[in-house]
Amino acid sequence: DTAVSQTPKYLVTQMGNDKSIKCEQNLGHDTMYWYKQDSKKFLKIMFSYNNKELIINETVPNRFSPKSPDKAHLNLHINSLELGDSAVYFCASSQRDPGEETQYFGPGTRLLVL
Amino acid sequence: DAKTTQPPSMDCAEGRAANLPCNHSTISGNEYVYWYRQIHSQGPQYIIHGLKNNETNEMASLIITEDRKSSTLILPHATLRDTAVYYCIVRPNFGNEKLTFGTGTRLTIIP
Repeated sequence: DTAVSQTPKYLVTQMGNDKSIKCEQNLGHDTMYWYKQDSKKFLKIMFSYNNKELIINETVPNRFSPKSPDKAHLNLHINSLELGDSAVYFCASSQRDPGEETQYFGPGTRLLVL
Repeated sequence: DAKTTQPPSMDCAEGRAANLPCNHSTISGNEYVYWYRQIHSQGPQYIIHGLKNNETNEMASLIITEDRKSSTLILPHATLRDTAVYYCIVRPNFGNEKLTFGTGTRLTIIP
């Protein structure tokens, strides 16, 4: 059983298109995250949701809109895709527990904008 | 979050212990030290974390100096599958804080 899953694994699209990436976790965690890893391999937090509420938004363009329909899902919708959005996007989840929180990551979605 | 400093790369012979250092001289009293690794093309994987005491689990050991300004991750018997980028991260001990990844150490296990 995959703990944190993402779909699709690969996404190739044209500039200007709108696309969504889905994330699901079956760990019963209450917090989910989106990270972006660019071509230089820097891994940065984008968003965090706790119990379906946004708690971290790291200066991400408003073309990116996360949506959490329930605690087990955090989807990422991207409008008007730009070349610079090409990256690997990782979803993660954790259970709120001060000091003992471990984040579990999905396999990543490789987005290429042409 | 406190910043960490790690060597950019290290090699280790297969079967030997891999010792990965990390400096975190500005760590504050409520910050934990976490280690994650990223094997090529995969998502980051949690390894171990600690506050003050040394910790050991099935994957690794974490040695934290008494002043907490540095730590060492030890992989006791490195295998080829341990080749990865290893990230040392410090973060506060209250929940839901982001992980701030640095550039990490690229560990290569040599046959």
